[in-house]
Amino acid sequence: QQQVKQSPQSLIVQKGGISIINCAYENTAFDYFPWYQQFPGKGPALLIAIRPDVSEKKEGRFTISFNKSAKQFSLHIMDSQPGDSATYFCAATSNNAGNMLTFGGGTRLMVKP
Amino acid sequence: DTAVSQTPKYLVTQMGNDKSIKCEQNLGHDTMYWYKQDSKKFLKIMFSYNNKELIINETVPNRFSPKSPDKAHLNLHINSLELGDSAVYFCASSPPVYNSPLHFGNGTRLTVT
Repeated sequence: QQQVKQSPQSLIVQKGGISIINCAYENTAFDYFPWYQQFPGKGPALLIAIRPDVSEKKEGRFTISFNKSAKQFSLHIMDSQPGDSATYFCAATSNNAGNMLTFGGGTRLMVKP
Repeated sequence: DTAVSQTPKYLVTQMGNDKSIKCEQNLGHDTMYWYKQDSKKFLKIMFSYNNKELIINETVPNRFSPKSPDKAHLNLHINSLELGDSAVYFCASSPPVYNSPLHFGNGTRLTVT
C-alpha cells in the first residue's frame, strides 16, 4: 500500500517555465511534509518542508501548496533552471513515527535550456 | 568532510553470500536510518535506530540487520543475499528532534548476481 502517491513520474520543462509536482496522501496522522531533491549519484537532500497548519510555504523559487481537506500537496518551481534537473521526492511522517519518512515514488525533472 | 559517508560505493556479489555496508556520520546526530532505493527510484525506510531504540519496518526480511558499534556508526548486514536485494542503499542521520531534516549519504549500489 503506497501511502504517498506522487505524479508525474517524469516532467520536462523549458528553462524559465514552472515545474509542478503533485502528491496525495492517505494517512490523516501525517503532520509533516518535506520535499527532497536528489541528483544522480547523490543522496536525497531536504529542499523545503511544510506543516499542515499553513496552506503555503515559499523559499526562493520553490513553493509548497498544501490542501489539508483534499490530502494533497504540491511543489512549484518557478523560473525553472537546467540546474534544477533532478529527481524530486515528496514525503510525509507523523509524530508517532519520529523522523521515519514515507516517500512518494519520485519525479524526474528535466529542464531544457 | 562528508557528513554521512558510506562504504563501499559499489558492491557486486553472488547470491547466497553475506555482506556488510558501513555508515558513519560526523554530525553528532543521535538517530540513524537505512533506506532502500529500488530500480524505479522508490525510497523505502528499512530501519531507524538510536542508542535507545531500534525500529524495524515490518516488511524488511530478517536477513537484514543493523548493527551500531557506537553512536556515529550504523552498519547494515545482509545474510544469504538474493537477486531482489539489488538496489541502492542509503544511510541517513538526524537529530532526535521531530521534523529535523535527514542527512543522507551518497548510497551504496548493491548488485547481486
